[in-house]
Amino acid sequence: QSALTQPRSVSGSPGQSVTISCTGTSSDVGDYNYVSWYQQHPGKAPKLMIYDVSKGPSGVPDRFSGSKSGNTASLTISGLQAEDEADYYCCSYAGSRWVFGGGTKLTVL
Amino acid sequence: EVQLLESGGGLVQPGGSLRLSCAVSRFTFNNYVMSWVRQAPGKGLEWVSAISGGGGITYYADSVKGRFTISRDNSKNTLYLQMNSLRAEDTAVYYCAKHKDLAVKSLFDYWGQGTLVTVSS
Repeated sequence: QSALTQPRSVSGSPGQSVTISCTGTSSDVGDYNYVSWYQQHPGKAPKLMIYDVSKGPSGVPDRFSGSKSGNTASLTISGLQAEDEADYYCCSYAGSRWVFGGGTKLTVL
Repeated sequence: EVQLLESGGGLVQPGGSLRLSCAVSRFTFNNYVMSWVRQAPGKGLEWVSAISGGGGITYYADSVKGRFTISRDNSKNTLYLQMNSLRAEDTAVYYCAKHKDLAVKSLFDYWGQGTLVTVSS
């Protein structure tokens, strides 16, 4: 059982928007603004998409955005493209440890 | 571009030991916290261990505490993970990851390609 809870799967058609939630507790997501999102394609290393809840690294399209409310963080992908199909993981600092969500498989229909 | 290259994975029997290495380049290694993160086959990501820039502070997941030891040699720009008393459930791809900034709380911005550890008789 993962420390952070994500939906196992989400899907959307090209051009649509999808949102992936990441629910933690007041000891991790709710207590720190150190939440990141990672994209992982099969057989590849994870890639940072969002850090510090809502900041995008250079080179990541601004179609990817992040937010947080209480103990739940969210990743929104707008204007879905075929190459967005991947697994997505949230991660939070949790006081001398770091915790991941179980991952969400995004399918682009 | 930042580079991280893991090595040292392989097949080991239950109860055995293995040492992973992660050679880094193109950033000031001793300025950054570094972590090991693993991924069991077909499963999600699990943080394993972290170490401060100077090497004096270490952190471990409960699942590996007392069995794994993280260390670093800043003169060689290399991160290590000594894994003892290995169990079948330690089977995973092990990634080294750089933390994004100087704050310990920061998360991971660059990852290596991973090295596979298989614990089996």
